[in-house]
Amino acid sequence: AQSVTQPDIHITVSEGASLELRCNYSYGATPYLFWYVQSPGQGLQLLLKYFSGDTLVQGIKGFEAEFKRSQSSFNLRKPSVHWSDAAEYFCAVGARGSQGNLIFGKGTKLSVKP
Amino acid sequence: KAGVTQTPRYLIKTRGQQVTLSCSPISGHRSVSWYQQTPGQGLQFLFEYFSETQRNKGNFPGRFSGRQFSNSRSEMNVSTLELGDSALYLCASSLIIGGALPNEQFFGPGTRLTVL
Repeated sequence: AQSVTQPDIHITVSEGASLELRCNYSYGATPYLFWYVQSPGQGLQLLLKYFSGDTLVQGIKGFEAEFKRSQSSFNLRKPSVHWSDAAEYFCAVGARGSQGNLIFGKGTKLSVKP
Repeated sequence: KAGVTQTPRYLIKTRGQQVTLSCSPISGHRSVSWYQQTPGQGLQFLFEYFSETQRNKGNFPGRFSGRQFSNSRSEMNVSTLELGDSALYLCASSLIIGGALPNEQFFGPGTRLTVL
């Protein structure tokens, strides 16, 4: 069965520091991977997605993620965090033939210290 | 282009009642998915509709149902509400462009349901 694990429930980083949020997936075939961000009281916004090709994917707001098949990982990174990045981040996997069904991780809440 | 809209944004019901939530997708989007978000279980897929037909269904009891109209608007209904149904219900729409690949889903702000 497909599953997504985000090992870190809560991370705190200082403004200007680098960030890496971890995501591990379990899926038997080629995974289709997504990172979403949710601000308090808001819906989810797509940051980036990976379907195929270059394993380093660039997204919005300066985020990037790297797909590593050997490690079943799709970690999200940002070189310099801004206070406005404080939010909850969700990794998700989609399945071929199941277009409307995303399997989400439990999320990582990011706090940013001034 | 207007985003996904959900009404109402907040709802308070009592156990045993039923509730209907509404979702209007982005213009041109024909697929609508529903998710339940709770602190304990996280985001869980409820069902997906495309062209008025349910294409996928998550592991929820039959009290949870939905439908889609010809204009792609969707409603979900929960009957005989239980305390555990308290959650944020998110609707997402996507533009189906063919093939079997997952499409980017655009999420609405959600409906916060509280069951007392």
